[in-house]
Amino acid sequence: EAAVTQSPRNKVAVTGGKVTLSCNQTNNHNNMYWYRQDTGHGLRLIHYSYGAGSTEKGDIPDGYKASRPSQENFSLILELATPSQTSVYFCASGDAGGRGEVFFGKGTRLTVV
Amino acid sequence: GDSVTQTEGQVALSEEDFLTIHCNYSASGYPALFWYVQYPGEGPQFLFRASRDKEKGSSRGFEATYNKEATSFHLQKASVQESDSAVYYCALTGPGYNKLTFGKGTVLLVSP
Repeated sequence: EAAVTQSPRNKVAVTGGKVTLSCNQTNNHNNMYWYRQDTGHGLRLIHYSYGAGSTEKGDIPDGYKASRPSQENFSLILELATPSQTSVYFCASGDAGGRGEVFFGKGTRLTVV
Repeated sequence: GDSVTQTEGQVALSEEDFLTIHCNYSASGYPALFWYVQYPGEGPQFLFRASRDKEKGSSRGFEATYNKEATSFHLQKASVQESDSAVYYCALTGPGYNKLTFGKGTVLLVSP
């Protein structure tokens, strides 16, 4: 069973603070993704990675950084958190061999106050 | 860039009703098309895909047919159950299957 684990599951951060969301996958997938989910917007891609050491900008990268130090781990970093970044964040993994099927974690609910 | 449009934001049905959720796409090239489903408290999960014109994807009684001319991939189910209540996402990916673009999602509420 494909497994993607996100931590923390819930986070409250202060405006201007630094936030790091972590993701670990045991699927040995090359590709990993960070999405945010907001009512009225659906799932929007923030950053993604093709493998260790690589990061690519998605559709809404402003205000976010990503880090892929290993095949298994992919982090999303908010250097200066703002209330507009309050959202539910999903990490996912997949590869071309899966023909587009990606596996999502359970999500992290981030509230910036 | 690529985009996916889901017409309905919310659909409310009774058990055994027929379901249609409309999905249209805009993409360069020949995308693969997907439906994902998300239950409360969970991440989205793959339902099925179709990769070429006129191909039908299906799973758990849901189905959709790739229509390249109409740029559509509408989700249908003949008889919905209360357990089908969830958010449904249409998505596409380009060659290489490296990046999924999702629609805004449709909330399906099925009452007994």
